[in-house]
Amino acid sequence: SQQGEEDPQALSIQEGENATMNCSYKTSINNLQWYRQNSGRGLVHLILIRSNEREKHSGRLRVTLDTSKKSSSLLITASRAADTASYFCATDGGSNYKLTFGKGTLLTVNP
Amino acid sequence: SQTIHQWPATLVQPVGSPLSLECTVEGTSNPNLYWYRQAAGRGLQLLFYSVGIGQISSEVPQNLSASRPQDRQFILSSKKLLLSDSGFYLCAWTTGQGVYEQYFGPGTRLTVT
Repeated sequence: SQQGEEDPQALSIQEGENATMNCSYKTSINNLQWYRQNSGRGLVHLILIRSNEREKHSGRLRVTLDTSKKSSSLLITASRAADTASYFCATDGGSNYKLTFGKGTLLTVNP
Repeated sequence: SQTIHQWPATLVQPVGSPLSLECTVEGTSNPNLYWYRQAAGRGLQLLFYSVGIGQISSEVPQNLSASRPQDRQFILSSKKLLLSDSGFYLCAWTTGQGVYEQYFGPGTRLTVT
């Protein structure tokens, strides 16, 4: 079964608005990661947050982690048309080697 | 800098034919290597991973197999393809022990007809 589940499955917003995507997972983790995938391409790593961190920023990205609720959120501020992509969360589930990916959120930013 | 290559980029194969997808990594040594499959509109399914030459861990029982004949080469194979093998195959690598960011190749789009 999927370790991470993103919500919503699809999100459509206007350029300049903020986009928030959520991820829930089932087992304990060492870290949680967010990736981006443009259509037909490989995934690109965005940000990693460790289990002892609550919030992390990278440019227009803000990630939060609540281990008590087993959930994370990815906020993209001041979105651009170029942010249109699928966004996936991935968790290690305590493994030293493996990541488990969710099904992703398809974000469409309309110009 | 490190780069990861996958080929071919696209492939159309008939049911029952063999398969060989190749992935190579440059600019790093002793990477952990991964094969994923992504069905249309779905997340990534981990198929195999390898932490060293000749060491393969299988995640999903199926008619696929993987091999790692060299440190930076990872091959996905099948003797007889099924329709359900269609999908987008992604290779990825990461460094060392512990789960850190993974770096993905451009992928291979496989269509089994």
